[in-house]
Amino acid sequence: NAGVTQTPKFQVLKTGQSMTLQCAQDMNHEYMSWYRQDPGMGLRLIHYSVGAGITDQGEVPNGYNVSRSTTEDFPLRLLSAAPSQTSVYFCASSLSADRGVYGYTFGSGTRLTVV
Amino acid sequence: QKEVEQDPGPLSVPEGAIVSLNCTYSNSAFQYFMWYRQYSRKGPELLMYTYSSGNKEDGRFTAQVDKSSKYISLFIRDSQPSDSATYLCAMSDGNKLVFGAGTILRVKS
Repeated sequence: NAGVTQTPKFQVLKTGQSMTLQCAQDMNHEYMSWYRQDPGMGLRLIHYSVGAGITDQGEVPNGYNVSRSTTEDFPLRLLSAAPSQTSVYFCASSLSADRGVYGYTFGSGTRLTVV
Repeated sequence: QKEVEQDPGPLSVPEGAIVSLNCTYSNSAFQYFMWYRQYSRKGPELLMYTYSSGNKEDGRFTAQVDKSSKYISLFIRDSQPSDSATYLCAMSDGNKLVFGAGTILRVKS
């Protein structure tokens, strides 16, 4: 039982490059989300999904795209990387689509550096 | 003004001390309150969960919620070096979950 799996764990990108951060969960959770964590800023919501085929924007969505074709997977795409996107990215899932009512299960994170 | 305020610390205490971690918030619609623990280079893990006001105890950990003051606390009794981590408060109104910035705790042996 893996929980929430994120790949890669580390990535260095050049400005302007694109890439996809992968997130998969095996708990049949309805709700999945992407956060970025920056020093002093806490966790900020980028995008979220309440079920397959449904996505919506969070607090800081600019420069990122998501899709949810299956219950298990929720990839995050960086369209054209910028140094401001240097951060640690966490994927989180929850059993219920009632956001925050139940606790979240987090992945171990992807550390992204944009140079 | 942030919806959730949390003192970033770091908070350094000797082993065995009682630790108090706190958050204040401004949104009176928050009803669900959580504490997450995050070890270095790991994802946050849910530590405590409370609904509405009151206390909840789990081993050495006690969570308190005072909705009238918009103030929540996490107490750690008999703190251990293994408690050294970042502690994030989080709260929800059922539509969104908002995290505090986290408090770094160091327990010295």
